[in-house]
Amino acid sequence: EAGVAQSPRYKIIEKRQSVAFWCNPISGHATLYWYQQILGQGPKLLIQFQNNGVVDDSQLPKDRFSAERLKGVDSTLKIQPAKLEDSAVYLCASSSAAGTGFNSPLHFGNGTRLTVT
Amino acid sequence: SQQGEEDPQALSIQEGENATMNCSYKTSINNLQWYRQNSGRGLVHLILIRSNEREKHSGRLRVTLDTSKKSSSLLITASRAADTASYFCATAPGDDYKLSFGAGTTVTVRA
Repeated sequence: EAGVAQSPRYKIIEKRQSVAFWCNPISGHATLYWYQQILGQGPKLLIQFQNNGVVDDSQLPKDRFSAERLKGVDSTLKIQPAKLEDSAVYLCASSSAAGTGFNSPLHFGNGTRLTVT
Repeated sequence: SQQGEEDPQALSIQEGENATMNCSYKTSINNLQWYRQNSGRGLVHLILIRSNEREKHSGRLRVTLDTSKKSSSLLITASRAADTASYFCATAPGDDYKLSFGAGTTVTVRA
């Protein structure tokens, strides 16, 4: 099966600019996640979708970050305006089951590496 | 907040040796998962162990879980250069479905 696709792979922007990342999950996976991974740290969950509804966005900085999942398939994550501390790898993941606490592994894309200068 | 913490932060071993890393967590869990991340890539799922399981094997990988000590270990036997990667444990708390990752153990296998 095809894996989780993400684009772009790399993005360099100046602070206060905006940026968008795109994710196409594995076909048929209902649950989609966006994680932020700062260099040297583990991934931190930003937002979780179940089909096209938001399940959890408690750690999403909503003043500058937004995400949507139209038609319950592809998803985009946007940052506007970007700050220096947003430099990180943004990982998209999907799983087939509802909720990660119920024995369902996550499948990750290769991420988008964002550098904010 | 990060629920799991891996130990050690970094590990360097000779090819053919075994590598062991540990994960400690704070609250009760539904399951614990281990993932591998090669440089510049996404995470790859290795093993999931449920809270009522004590040990699980997958090829050269062995995972143990001690819920009384709130800890888990990942053993890689007969390591290869391709095992060079960062390894993360991830836990799903008992009262929550969210998966939280630790900071990882970086393993370097020397030829």
